[in-house]
Amino acid sequence: DAKTTQPNSMESNEEEPVHLPCNHSTISGTDYIHWYRQLPSQGPEYVIHGLTSNVNNRMASLAIAEDRKSSTLILHRATLRDAAVYYCILRPSMNRDDKIIFGKGTRLHILP
Amino acid sequence: DAGVTQSPTHLIKTRGQHVTLRCSPISGHKSVSWYQQVLGQGPQFIFQYYEKEERGRGNFPDRFSARQFPNYSSELNVNALLLGDSALYLCASSLHPGGNQPQHFGDGTRLSIL
Repeated sequence: DAKTTQPNSMESNEEEPVHLPCNHSTISGTDYIHWYRQLPSQGPEYVIHGLTSNVNNRMASLAIAEDRKSSTLILHRATLRDAAVYYCILRPSMNRDDKIIFGKGTRLHILP
Repeated sequence: DAGVTQSPTHLIKTRGQHVTLRCSPISGHKSVSWYQQVLGQGPQFIFQYYEKEERGRGNFPDRFSARQFPNYSSELNVNALLLGDSALYLCASSLHPGGNQPQHFGDGTRLSIL
């Protein structure tokens, strides 16, 4: 399974944009890039996913490099509620067991 | 719309006992997966079921078993509980398997083994 590399932790100020990087140099052509986050005492929450093109939804934006070896999750205006562990995950287009392999993620701290 | 619901939310058992955890997927979702999350680590894949068929199993002993019912709800069973089984057990559902399908997680069952 292709792996991802993320910084262990990041800090950002409230109401400012946050750019969370992820490297995935061994990504295959059929791997989707997913982002999940986990707030304290909750299950992981789906944030966004994409294949080749940049994606936007109500929670965030996903910017995918042209060679797909890296991506960036963008939170446009951080709030205290965005403090969480963010996981960047690769998921094959078709895999029999459909498992998600979670790494250590990036712990995002939001400063008031 | 209701999300993934898990019961119970908390459970305390002693070594050697067995436990059954339950999961109701989002309405219309036919795929259910189970994960174990030990404190301080990311979730680890245990099982995946789709259309009542087991399609994947993680590196867990045979003490762990699961099944999916005709209404797509699911149960995770753990026998002969060990102290190391203390963890948050998460259930996730999706419409069907596939990398283009988000998995939606419940808030888990926190299992403590004394």
